[in-house]
Amino acid sequence: DGGITQSPKYLFRKEGQNVTLSCEQNLNHDAMYWYRQDPGQGLRLIYYSQIVNDFQKGDIAEGYSVSREKKESFPLTVTSAQKNPTAFYLCASSSASGARGEQFFGPGTRLTVL
Amino acid sequence: GIQVEQSPPDLILQEGANSTLRCNFSDSVNNLQWFHQNPWGQLINLFYIPSGTKQNGRLSATTVATERYSLLYISSSQTTDSGVYFCAVVNDYKLSFGAGTTVTVRA
Repeated sequence: DGGITQSPKYLFRKEGQNVTLSCEQNLNHDAMYWYRQDPGQGLRLIYYSQIVNDFQKGDIAEGYSVSREKKESFPLTVTSAQKNPTAFYLCASSSASGARGEQFFGPGTRLTVL
Repeated sequence: GIQVEQSPPDLILQEGANSTLRCNFSDSVNNLQWFHQNPWGQLINLFYIPSGTKQNGRLSATTVATERYSLLYISSSQTTDSGVYFCAVVNDYKLSFGAGTTVTVRA
């Protein structure tokens, strides 16, 4: 089945640790995105990538880093510099039509800082 | 950046009732999507609708881009329609989300 997978589903981190969230898609989409959702709020864009080996900061990139070495993969690292990392993280992808492309989402990863 | 406002913030319905959710946005957009977020957090695509009207079963949506708003209609609501409904607009390359409308359908 075509789709977007994220792992792990739940992640617990101690303060001061970096953690990496996985996002993989087999939809052959060029563009991929990372969003953060806090309780009772909409999603906010962290980073996006329109093509392999290229990515841009979104609205809340501080404390996060990404890489895009393969078309199907877009991992997100939450660094110790992120002051309040506890949140629900969602990955999305869209086709080569880019700005006008419909975005599809993975099931998400819930990160909790202990 | 572009502002997206959804109303009402909360909606309680009796099963079988009809309802309308509204999404206003502050600038021209390349496109607009409606999502339903289920209790497990999964975002389910409902409509991809830059303009005009689309229907999918008991749901339909209308976007009037020149007046910067979109409407989502739920007819004959069912308990499975409960959840949070998000409107998101595409401006440049990214989706900007509203805060959502929480819908509760009571049996």
